[in-house]
Parts: sequence; structure tokens; C-alpha cells
Amino acid sequence: GAVVSQHPSRVICKSGTSVKIECRSLDFQATTMFWYRQFPKQSLMLMATSNEGSKATYEQGVEKDKFLINHASLTLSTLTVTSAHPEDSSFYICSARDGPDGQYFGPGTRLTVT
Amino acid sequence: QKEVEQDPGPLSVPEGAIVSLNCTYSNSAFQYFMWYRQYSRKGPELLMYTYSSGNKEDGRFTAQVDKSSKYISLFIRDSQPSDSATYLCAMWGNTNAGKSTFGDGTTLTVKP
Repeated sequence: GAVVSQHPSRVICKSGTSVKIECRSLDFQATTMFWYRQFPKQSLMLMATSNEGSKATYEQGVEKDKFLINHASLTLSTLTVTSAHPEDSSFYICSARDGPDGQYFGPGTRLTVT
Repeated sequence: QKEVEQDPGPLSVPEGAIVSLNCTYSNSAFQYFMWYRQYSRKGPELLMYTYSSGNKEDGRFTAQVDKSSKYISLFIRDSQPSDSATYLCAMWGNTNAGKSTFGDGTTLTVKP
């Protein structure tokens, strides 16, 4: 299957700082990438859909100025959590679609804001 | 009401048992159906996908889709402790901007 990488896998930052998470499709080109958030023992929550070369589409309730998404190329999307606060601590997972039959996930990034 | 309903479990079975995981859905536009496995603190891993109705088998795993009943299943034969994980069903159609709709996941524990 297709491979999606995510970096970093874990990050700890201080409150008020910004954190950037990278998501790459390694062996396919992804016109559409997705960013999810997941709290412990809870289901995936879609934050936004990212299309290459255009603005991301955010789900209702997700602050687009706080969670900046850039899909600069067909293999790279980035999520920047701006002015992070402890309540932003979570597991962030990106996903990329490789045609109609495959949506592949990265390994996730665990963000801890102190 | 959610578009995709999945029994959250938890489900606990002895090693070697046959496991049945199920999802129901309400959107008749869904055409692609997927099952993911997620281990704790990891991203979901695509196990199987099925287009439209029918069965698909891959080793110990069998996916079934019944579009007339809006019901999909994943069967795991000869379950192993390594199968212990959360299983997510997902589905999408050609609309909705390519977004998949996920079930909330069923947590499975296979006891040795």
C-alpha cells in the first residue's frame, strides 16, 4: 500500500509557541490530504481537507487562523498550530488519498503543550 | 443521527475465535467501503477496501458489503492476540469532496 510519513512523531512545546507538522506522501501524488485530531480513546475528528494549490477547507468549529494548513506540492502538506495552548495537546494524524480506493494515514504526531 | 454507526464495543474474544465487526450507514451515495486497524498511539492502517456490494477476502480477513441493507462487515478468522486493536470502518462516494466518513471504531481484544 501507499506510504504516508509524518514529522515529527512527537513534539513538546511551550504555551504560546507555534509548531509545524509535515505530512508527505512518499510513493504517490496526493491532490487531497486530510488532517485529523484524535483524543485518547476517542474517534478521529476531521479538521480540514487540503487540496494542492488551493486553500484548505476547514470543518465547522475548527479555527483556520489557529490551524494553518499549506498544501504546497502534490506530496507535501503542513499543519501549523499557532500560539499553541495546553488544550491543543492531542494526537494529530494526516491522511492522503491515492485514488478512489485508498486513503492512507501517517503515523501521527503527538503534540504536548506545556 | 450519524451517517455511519459502529458498535464501539469493547469486544473481547479468545484466541482462535471468529470475529465479526459491523457498520451500518444511511447515505446511499457511498460506493467505496474501507476497514482500518488502529493500534494505540499509531495512525490507522488500511486493511481492506471494497467497491460496491460483494465480498473480498485477504488472508484471515473478509470484508462484506450489502448496499441494499446499508450494512458492511469485517470478519477475522483464527483471531490472534496481535489483532487486538481498534477497527474503524470508513466509506465515501464521489461527492462530499472526497472525504471519507468514519465510524467511531470498535475496540477488539483477543486473549491468548
